[in-house]
Formats: sequence, structure tokens, C-alpha cells
Amino acid sequence: SQQGEEDPQALSIQEGENATMNCSYKTSINNLQWYRQNSGRGLVHLILIRSNEREKHSGRLRVTLDTSKKSSSLLITASRAADTASYFCATLHTSGTYKYIFGTGTRLKVLA
Amino acid sequence: ETGVTQSPTHLIKTRGQQVTLRCSSQSGHNTVSWYQQALGQGPQFIFQYYREEENGRGNFPPRFSGLQFPNYSSELNVNALELDDSALYLCASSPGLAGVGSTDTQYFGPGTRLTVL
Repeated sequence: SQQGEEDPQALSIQEGENATMNCSYKTSINNLQWYRQNSGRGLVHLILIRSNEREKHSGRLRVTLDTSKKSSSLLITASRAADTASYFCATLHTSGTYKYIFGTGTRLKVLA
Repeated sequence: ETGVTQSPTHLIKTRGQQVTLRCSSQSGHNTVSWYQQALGQGPQFIFQYYREEENGRGNFPPRFSGLQFPNYSSELNVNALELDDSALYLCASSPGLAGVGSTDTQYFGPGTRLTVL
């Protein structure tokens, strides 16, 4: 499989708690992006971090990137019921040809 | 609302048939990518078009082909449908060429759910 790996596969937390998801990939990348998907619909872009960046923030989201370990994490602080969704990381590989590789996803459930 | 639309929403075909899925990108977006998402899986990259030329492809056989038109619309064609082609097909547009200094944010459409019987 070409897909990256995400863990955990599923996560259930209470409203107000923080949620952390991890993503690992296999080859060198240009950038890494995180997306959210509600109930098998289209994906919504959350945040992009380039290979020369180590950390990025956007609202309640914090993303880190460790290119030496080929891994990234997404932290959602003070989670809300509306954050319930599947979260995917996607890496852009530009060696030879452009190719986006998505992870297997983390299904987050936030309980009210 | 991403401004990317896809048609049809749902489609049922039988094995061996051919199908054409359509996507309308945001105006000004020169790049369109197509993905296949099986149930419970992440999207799998099929290919990408930039200014009407294919400039990236995933591990999909040649019976998956595409076209991009100057009016920011595009098509995904699948010939000789197989049962495993049943999936959600997503298109995504972005402003520029991937990885070349421009924003790589992809704007996804709602998808077309294809069922092959």
C-alpha cells in the first residue's frame, strides 16, 4: 500500500479535552497537509506545513513535523462535538512526478 | 463550501461498463487531482492535471484516464469497470502547480459515489 500510517485509528474523547493524532510517511516530502472529512463527504483542508517548518498553529490546531522521523502530529485543543470527523494527513511527493499520499485516517468522536 | 462541484452524486454501473465522472474546479485553479476512496480508507491518488496535461499519476491502470478543459472543468473516465472500482471518487482543485512555491491547498468537491454491480 502507498498509504501513510495514522494512529490511533479511532479516538473517543470528552468535549473540552485535547485530541492528538499522529501520521507517519515513508519517503521525502515537499509538504504535509491535514484534512477533515465528515461522514464520507468531501475533505476540508485544515493546515499545511512545509518540509522546512517544524510547527504551525491555526486557531485550535497545532501541527508539528519531524522530517528526521518522517512523522507529524495534529493536536486539536478544547475539542467540541462539531470536531467529530475523520482526520487525514496527506504528503506531497515531488521526486520524479507529483503524487499525493493520504494516510489511513483517524476517526475522532467527541462526546458532549 | 469549496466552490468545487462534482456530478453525478451517485452512480450505479455494471461490471465491464464505462463511466465518466465530472468535476468543476474553482475559477482560476489550474490544477485538478482525482482520488479514489474505498469505504473506511484514505483517498488514493489517481492522477493530477495541470493546464490540461497530466503531470502526476498514482498506481492506477491505464483504464483510468482523464481530461482537463480550459474552462476549469475536468473528467475522470474509467473503462471496463470492475467490482473493486466501487468507491467514492473525489476531485480537488488548487491554484498552481504542486510544490512550486504556490499554495498547495486542495479544495475538494463532495464526491461521486460509484457502485459497480
